[in-house]
Amino acid sequence: GEDVEQSLFLSVREGDSSVINCTYTDSSSTYLYWYKQEPGAGLQLLTYIFSNMDMKQDQRLTVLLNKKDKHLSLRIADTQTGDSAIYFCAETDSSYKLIFGSGTRLLVRP
Amino acid sequence: EAGVVQSPRYKIIEKKQPVAFWCNPISGHNTLYWYLQNLGQGPELLIRYENEEAVDDSQLPKDRFSAERLKGVDSTLKIQPAELGDSAVYLCASESRSDYNEQFFGPGTRLTVL
Repeated sequence: GEDVEQSLFLSVREGDSSVINCTYTDSSSTYLYWYKQEPGAGLQLLTYIFSNMDMKQDQRLTVLLNKKDKHLSLRIADTQTGDSAIYFCAETDSSYKLIFGSGTRLLVRP
Repeated sequence: EAGVVQSPRYKIIEKKQPVAFWCNPISGHNTLYWYLQNLGQGPELLIRYENEEAVDDSQLPKDRFSAERLKGVDSTLKIQPAELGDSAVYLCASESRSDYNEQFFGPGTRLTVL
């Protein structure tokens, strides 16, 4: 079945760039998503990319999509302490159901 | 605009007791989801509603879980009886009619079964 894999943890210094990686299995996904979850809160959509694109930039966020390798990444430029959270990659299956990865915990050190 | 509202935020019960969670989606959102999120994991879909109709409940453990969405607005998720393994966060989300299917999540209900 569909599966989304992410690394569990990333630690960066404030001001550096963060890169969170994800691999997915369903090549039919129309959109791929990055959600952010802060402690005690629900998930918030950060950005998404249409499957026929290979890059999307939105302020400090850059999403790169490699369809051949089924690899998705999220780059956060000038990472701030407020960016500390769990980041989830998600794909959609053939019934448009969201399939989430296990999340990458980003820790930003001052 | 008010977000997705869930209550209670926290619930502690003993095993074999019943429990219910309530969700009020964003006004005008016809699609509503219930997810289960275990510690250290991403959310997993339990049930999806289009208005008052459950269109995908394939992952809902129907022996003990039930859900309803009367009048196609608020929704209730029930567990009866609860088991120790049901301890998790139960998230509700609603979806706008957009090209990219954005889902808006509530803060969740954290259930602890003792």
